[in-house]
Amino acid sequence: DAGVIQSPRHEVTEMGQEVTLRCKPISGHNSLFWYRQTMMRGLELLIYFNNNVPIDDSGMPEDRFSAKMPNASFSTLKIQPSEPRDSAVYFCASSPNTGPTPYGYTFGSGTRLTVV
Amino acid sequence: SQELEQSPQSLIVQEGKNLTINCTSSKTLYGLYWYKQKYGEGLIFLMMLQKGGEEKSHEKITAKLDEKKQQSSLHITASQPSHAGIYLCGADRTGANNLFFGTGTRLTVIP
Repeated sequence: DAGVIQSPRHEVTEMGQEVTLRCKPISGHNSLFWYRQTMMRGLELLIYFNNNVPIDDSGMPEDRFSAKMPNASFSTLKIQPSEPRDSAVYFCASSPNTGPTPYGYTFGSGTRLTVV
Repeated sequence: SQELEQSPQSLIVQEGKNLTINCTSSKTLYGLYWYKQKYGEGLIFLMMLQKGGEEKSHEKITAKLDEKKQQSSLHITASQPSHAGIYLCGADRTGANNLFFGTGTRLTVIP
């Protein structure tokens, strides 16, 4: 398996532009998570899905952020409009189970977003 | 508020030395996960602890969870440059497969 695949790896955009980050989870994993990592706040959970349904989006910072999972093999995180403070590394992760799992999550390599 | 405290925040050791990283919560944890992250890369799962008093080892890395399930330690024996990176503890607080993470410990191993 190729693991969790995120695209793009790097994104540089101007303030006010729309940004879309993409994630393909591991086949068969039914839970998908979006995290944001910054030096100041560490790794924060933004939203997670189970069987393509959003379960908890309380970590989404503002209405400018939205996430979708139209099917089991694809998810997007969109920021519109983007602001410089959104600059961070965004990670997608997937997991095979709900509840405590001995397998942990499998993380993608992340998308480094820079908003100028 | 940050509910998982890691210490130290950074650590520099000479190759061959042992070291310990701690992760503490004010609340009982349902599961405690240790991950390693290299710069510019994603997180690599190391170990998961669930039972009070549990201890697991993988190669030269040993992780323990205390009986109250509120504190975990990660111990590396005879550190090597390949151990360098950021170590993060994550916890499943509600039992709903929803991990939150500590701020991480940056480990540097000097050859």
